[in-house]
Amino acid sequence: GQQLNQSPQSMFIQEGEDVSMNCTSSSIFNTWLWYKQDPGEGPVLLIALYKAGELTSNGRLTAQFGITRKDSFLNISASIPSDVGIYFCAGLAGAQKLVFGQGTRLTINP
Amino acid sequence: NAGVTQTPKFQVLKTGQSMTLQCAQDMNHEYMSWYRQDPGMGLRLIHYSVGAGITDQGEVPNGYNVSRSTTEDFPLRLLSAAPSQTSVYFCASRPGADSYNEQFFGPGTRLTVL
Repeated sequence: GQQLNQSPQSMFIQEGEDVSMNCTSSSIFNTWLWYKQDPGEGPVLLIALYKAGELTSNGRLTAQFGITRKDSFLNISASIPSDVGIYFCAGLAGAQKLVFGQGTRLTINP
Repeated sequence: NAGVTQTPKFQVLKTGQSMTLQCAQDMNHEYMSWYRQDPGMGLRLIHYSVGAGITDQGEVPNGYNVSRSTTEDFPLRLLSAAPSQTSVYFCASRPGADSYNEQFFGPGTRLTVL
């Protein structure tokens, strides 16, 4: 089946640093989604991407839909303590079924 | 709006026991789904429903049953719990099949099977 490889698996950074994470696949996706999950909560959608090459921002977050349609990245600028959590990418190839990456756990040292 | 609610928040079962995880939404969403989340893995789709009376299997349906008698509720049943079903379960809903930008997840049910 389709799989997404998300990296890195975990990140330990200082407050104020920029963060970059990505998802890659051997399959083509038509939609890429990025979620954040806080401890004890369900995932919350951050950014949705619908077109190859699309670059979309949401505050300090920027995500891009790769030209090949097989990858996507998420950047967080000037990290703050509330950015701590697990970030998931998800891809949609059709048949209304999302495929999720394994997640990137972000830890921030104040 | 309460959004997507799930009960219970925590549950411990013995192998072979059955139980139902409840999910409800008050947003009149047609599309609802159940996922499980295991350590080091992304969410995996168990079952989904495109509307009342219609359900279908996801990626990992074995050991689980669902029904959708109303638009609001989408319960997940474990017929005979196994340790492999220890996981965190999330219910999600969205207005339609393609409206992923309007999909909301519940807070999750953490299930342990001994």
